Amino acid sequence: EAQVTQNPRYLITVTGKKLTVTCSQNMNHEYMSWYRQDPGLGLRQIYYSMNVEVTDKGDVPEGYKVSRKEKRNFPLILESPSPNQTSLYFCASSLSSSQETQYFGPGTRLLVL
Amino acid sequence: GDSVTQMEGPVTLSEEAFLTINCTYTATGYPSLFWYVQYPGEGLQLLLKATKADDKGSNKGFEATYRKETTSFHLEKGSVQVSDSAVYFCALSTGNQFYFGTGTSLTVIP
Repeated sequence: EAQVTQNPRYLITVTGKKLTVTCSQNMNHEYMSWYRQDPGLGLRQIYYSMNVEVTDKGDVPEGYKVSRKEKRNFPLILESPSPNQTSLYFCASSLSSSQETQYFGPGTRLLVL
Repeated sequence: GDSVTQMEGPVTLSEEAFLTINCTYTATGYPSLFWYVQYPGEGLQLLLKATKADDKGSNKGFEATYRKETTSFHLEKGSVQVSDSAVYFCALSTGNQFYFGTGTSLTVIP
């Protein structure tokens, strides 16, 4: 089944404790992206990747890192999480660019205390 | 910068009512326009899209027309069902980035 998977689905952590949210797709897509969803703000793009080893900042990259060492994986790293990073995070992928249909993962709900 | 403005909700309609959710955009160049839907507890799914001016996207009875002159992409459905209850997001893509509106929550009551 074609899908985007994210892990974990739920995470509670404390300020400053490094964490990684994994994202994997099995559709051989080149484009992958991370978003955060906050009430009243919709979804905002954090980082995106056009292909392996090619990443770039979206609208709200501060406090986040990403890497794209393999085509299928695009982890989101929070080196020192803060309470304002409490949010619902979505990973998405598309065939070759943001102008094509994006397929979204189920979301990761993060609470930073 | 590029952005999307969509009608604020929540919207509550009776079954079989007509639905319109307004969406306008600001963009440089020639964006692609999308409507995504999010059902409770799930990720987003593409509902429809249009890639150039005057294109009409349609799916599951929903329609939206890319209007360059009014920079709009309003979502319409002639007769909503209870199963259409969800949050609807208008979005645009230019270059490699993606911009979403704030979402409009729709509840359809029997």
